[in-house]
Amino acid sequence: QVQLQESGPGLVKPSQTLSLTCSVSGGSIARGGYYWSWIRQYPGKGLEWIGYIYYSGSTYYNPSLQSRITISIDTSKNQFSLKLSSVTAADTAVYYCAREVATTTGGYLDYWGQGTLVTVSS
Amino acid sequence: QSVLTQPPSVSGAPGQRVTISCTGSSSNIGAGYDVHWYQQVPGTAPKLLIYGDTNRPSGVPDRFSGSKSGTSASLAITGLQAEDEADYYCQSYDSSLSGFAVFGGGTQVTVL
Repeated sequence: QVQLQESGPGLVKPSQTLSLTCSVSGGSIARGGYYWSWIRQYPGKGLEWIGYIYYSGSTYYNPSLQSRITISIDTSKNQFSLKLSSVTAADTAVYYCAREVATTTGGYLDYWGQGTLVTVSS
Repeated sequence: QSVLTQPPSVSGAPGQRVTISCTGSSSNIGAGYDVHWYQQVPGTAPKLLIYGDTNRPSGVPDRFSGSKSGTSASLAITGLQAEDEADYYCQSYDSSLSGFAVFGGGTQVTVL
């Protein structure tokens, strides 16, 4: 059973960088066929896909966030990370890491972390 | 404003059948991308319910079923149970702006 767990600060000041790490257990992050993803959910409940990384290091980001996002992977630690720069109050959300099964017709998220609330406030 | 449109809420009595629609466009569902569904109980992470339009992961009861036609998809819950009260989200991919995963706005299911 694959398990994912997010970690990082729950409070970030405006204009600073949000940094989160996702630790994966129960399976190797270096196994092909999966994208390691970040998704966020706003307080009003809408879900937004942020981006993903493949074990090779290839990344794909939501175009609306691309200029502020960096996703990286550390296969030796079985972890992947998210950095979101220049945050504002609009970035306040629950952030989830998840595993996406890669398919040719649009992948799906089969395992999710429990989520971590990040509040942007001074 | 979500790329995929869902009704905000649906309700039904125990044992009834309810359906949730997910309406997209020619750049996502209509382009042939799969539709997936997630169930989210408040305070918990979304859980995969249906993948690849119609497939249920192991452990998901067969009272949940998915379908797709044209630019829309639907999730049906037959024999509604109290434990089905949750938020439901559809997800697909969109080929506009280089393509990425998109979600519906979510539908709250209430068991009367």
